[in-house]
Amino acid sequence: DARVTQTPRHKVTEMGQEVTMRCQPILGHNTVFWYRQTMMQGLELLAYFRNRAPLDDSGMPKDRFSAEMPDATLATLKIQPSEPRDSAVYFCASARGIQPQHFGDGTRLSIL
Amino acid sequence: GNSVTQMEGPVTLSEEAFLTINCTYTATGYPSLFWYVQYPGEGLQLLLKATKADDKGSNKGFEATYRKETTSFHLEKGSVQVSDSAVYFCALSMNRDDKIIFGKGTRLHILP
Repeated sequence: DARVTQTPRHKVTEMGQEVTMRCQPILGHNTVFWYRQTMMQGLELLAYFRNRAPLDDSGMPKDRFSAEMPDATLATLKIQPSEPRDSAVYFCASARGIQPQHFGDGTRLSIL
Repeated sequence: GNSVTQMEGPVTLSEEAFLTINCTYTATGYPSLFWYVQYPGEGLQLLLKATKADDKGSNKGFEATYRKETTSFHLEKGSVQVSDSAVYFCALSMNRDDKIIFGKGTRLHILP
């Protein structure tokens, strides 16, 4: 089965450091989503792309977060500078059009 | 706006018990409805879906029926197993819309 691949699976770093999370969507999927999951807030949509163009990033703190798709096989989510409140599990998901989304296994981020 | 409300957990049952997780939705128009499941350490996986009123989605012994009159999509299983322990998310999407709106999730524990 084709899968969404996220790297790294775990990241621990100190506050103020830059964090980059990567996602390889399923081949042929043209929409990519970034979510953040915490115990308090649940699953939050941060941003999403269609055909590599950003469509909605209203859920993302824009002063420190940025999301890009350099090509169709790679999506990145960056945090700079990172803060302890950014600690969460970050998920990438991809889909073909309006079909159900396929999720990666997430990046568990801890900011000390 | 569109939203999904599902019962709070955790829900704890004994093996072979009957399961119901309630989900109701608010939407302008006619959404597609989904149940996703998240096993420990993994991303969300689509469990089942229904795209129009009175449709029944089913998979792995789980069922949910799209009830327009009560705006509900309750998840049921006749006999749960320990391996069903996970977090279950009810969700909706509007037709022609990429985005999915998720409920807050219901954690299910099955005791042997």
